[in-house]
Amino acid sequence: DAKTTQPPSMDCAEGRAANLPCNHSTISGNEYVYWYRQIHSQGPQYIIHGLKNNETNEMASLIITEDRKSSTLILPHATLRDTAVYYCIVRVLNTGFQKLVFGTGTRLLVSP
Amino acid sequence: NAGVTQTPKFQVLKTGQSMTLQCAQDMNHNSMYWYRQDPGMGLRLIYYSASEGTTDKGEVPNGYNVSRLNKREFSLRLESAAPSQTSVYFCASSGKGLANTGELFFGEGSRLTVL
Repeated sequence: DAKTTQPPSMDCAEGRAANLPCNHSTISGNEYVYWYRQIHSQGPQYIIHGLKNNETNEMASLIITEDRKSSTLILPHATLRDTAVYYCIVRVLNTGFQKLVFGTGTRLLVSP
Repeated sequence: NAGVTQTPKFQVLKTGQSMTLQCAQDMNHNSMYWYRQDPGMGLRLIYYSASEGTTDKGEVPNGYNVSRLNKREFSLRLESAAPSQTSVYFCASSGKGLANTGELFFGEGSRLTVL
């Protein structure tokens, strides 16, 4: 699996967009970019994933550069409840078994 | 929907004691996983079961055993607990099918302290 690099921490004001970067310069053509988050001490929660096109769902948007070497997770209107650790993971998509390797992620602090 | 349920949520053990962490999922998922998370660290995979009847080692399997009891249940056993096994343990599952995204569903965690 390709290695990912994320900043250890970021701050964001409530109501503003939070843009979380991830570098994955060694990504292979069949590897997807996944984002999970972990709020406080809860189990991680899936946010979004993508291959090469930009993706959007009810939680966030994922922007992947054309060369696929980096991506950005966007929380369009951050709330205090978005304070969490965000993990960027690169992995081949298996439709069943999925062995994800979590790094240390980015700790996002959303402030009033 | 219960999703992934772990028991117990909290446990304190003495060094050398044994215990089993239980995990059950009600989503008819084929694959199940056990991770541990130490303070300030990411999750590390201990063992996984790609499908019922199979189990395999992850990154940090030493000191643990697992049993895939049936499709729903996947247990993690510590035969002789050590202080280094003090951690938060997460169980997860993932499904299979046309709509599958490769998403893992996690339980709420079991907090284990070994004295």
